[in-house]
Amino acid sequence: GQNIDQPTEMTATEGAIVQINCTYQTSGFNGLFWYQQHAGEAPTFLSYNVLDGLEEKGRFSSFLSRSKGYSYLLLKELQMKDSASYLCAVKDSNYQLIWGAGTKLIIKP
Amino acid sequence: SQTIHQWPATLVQPVGSPLSLECTVEGTSNPNLYWYRQAAGRGLQLLFYSVGIGQISSEVPQNLSASRPQDRQFILSSKKLLLSDSGFYLCAWSDLLASDSGANVLTFGAGSRLTVL
Repeated sequence: GQNIDQPTEMTATEGAIVQINCTYQTSGFNGLFWYQQHAGEAPTFLSYNVLDGLEEKGRFSSFLSRSKGYSYLLLKELQMKDSASYLCAVKDSNYQLIWGAGTKLIIKP
Repeated sequence: SQTIHQWPATLVQPVGSPLSLECTVEGTSNPNLYWYRQAAGRGLQLLFYSVGIGQISSEVPQNLSASRPQDRQFILSSKKLLLSDSGFYLCAWSDLLASDSGANVLTFGAGSRLTVL
């Protein structure tokens, strides 16, 4: 079966750095997405990786290793507004998006 | 700019009652449209997607149906709700087909929280 694993919950301190991991086992790979979802709201797109390496976008970076079936989302200079769930999704060989259950990130002052 | 509207935002319905959730997209033509359900502690589950008027693909056999009567309108329905239909329903659109190269970025509506009692 296809599987996306993320930690259920993480806690970090305002101003710090946090890394949210995502491991996947899918039938094929055609890209990996990270979305942010605040409580009770819709997910919003953060990043897309299809080649190995690091993609940086301001305070957020996303890394991919296809050989290891692994990605992480790195958040720097954490702000209280970063408290949200972070969803990892992989596009499989049929171009279907397989979603992880999300990681709830709690930021403490 | 493109916007997506989804309503109602919340509803409480008795078991066996009908359901209609509506989604419209503005500022784009021929969008690909999707209905997802999000259950607590689980990943987003694709229910239906549509690449054009009257073209609906169902991903999960269930108590729900979808229709696309106009290019930018997508409706999720049920004739008789079950308790298990409770959840957070999300409509989304994208420009690219999932099979196109490049990121198929989904833009979601605000969501509809359905509670079936």
